[in-house]
Amino acid sequence: ETGVTQSPTHLIKTRGQQVTLRCSSQSGHNTVSWYQQALGQGPQFIFQYYREEENGRGNFPPRFSGLQFPNYSSELNVNALELDDSALYLCASSLGLERVKGSPLHFGNGTRLTVT
Amino acid sequence: AQSVTQLGSHVSVSEGALVLLRCNYSSSVPPYLFWYVQYPNQGLQLLLKYTSAATLVKGINGFEAEFKKSETSFHLTKPSAHMSDAAEYFCAVSPSGSARQLTFGSGTQLTVLP
Repeated sequence: ETGVTQSPTHLIKTRGQQVTLRCSSQSGHNTVSWYQQALGQGPQFIFQYYREEENGRGNFPPRFSGLQFPNYSSELNVNALELDDSALYLCASSLGLERVKGSPLHFGNGTRLTVT
Repeated sequence: AQSVTQLGSHVSVSEGALVLLRCNYSSSVPPYLFWYVQYPNQGLQLLLKYTSAATLVKGINGFEAEFKKSETSFHLTKPSAHMSDAAEYFCAVSPSGSARQLTFGSGTQLTVLP
């Protein structure tokens, strides 16, 4: 069973730039969620994708956007980077929304983004 | 709306001692509750989950947690700490019947002393 994989593992960007982070879901999982974890904090929900559509969004501005592809992999895009965007970005996959209630999230190891 | 409060951002125990990590939740609907562990430079690993079945939930690595509705608590315990338990632990809540977003607490860093 292949777990959740994220790339790249580390990234350094300059304020104002754009970044794309990638995630491959665990085998058999069709729901992908993205979380932002600032240093010393718990993860915060950005958004979730199910069947290639956004299905819930946290308190993040529109410059945070995402995609889910037919193979259930996903991308997180952040435009106009700000210093406060520096964080660990975690991708998590799970089984379908309705099929398995309480289906736990399976997390990747994250992408460490540093904005200078 | 849901929220989670983890009391104690840092907890230290001696190897072999009881581990108790506290979590209190607030939820407008019956909650699902989770404990995750995070080792340095890694993602989160599920320890255990409560989904309205048995109130005492057993997880991996000898951890367990008890759901107490009257106290709105879901504390994590382990009878005997091991050095390998040193990590950050997160409690999380989601609305029951939903696989939507988790709301995490701010975490508790567990240190195990030799």
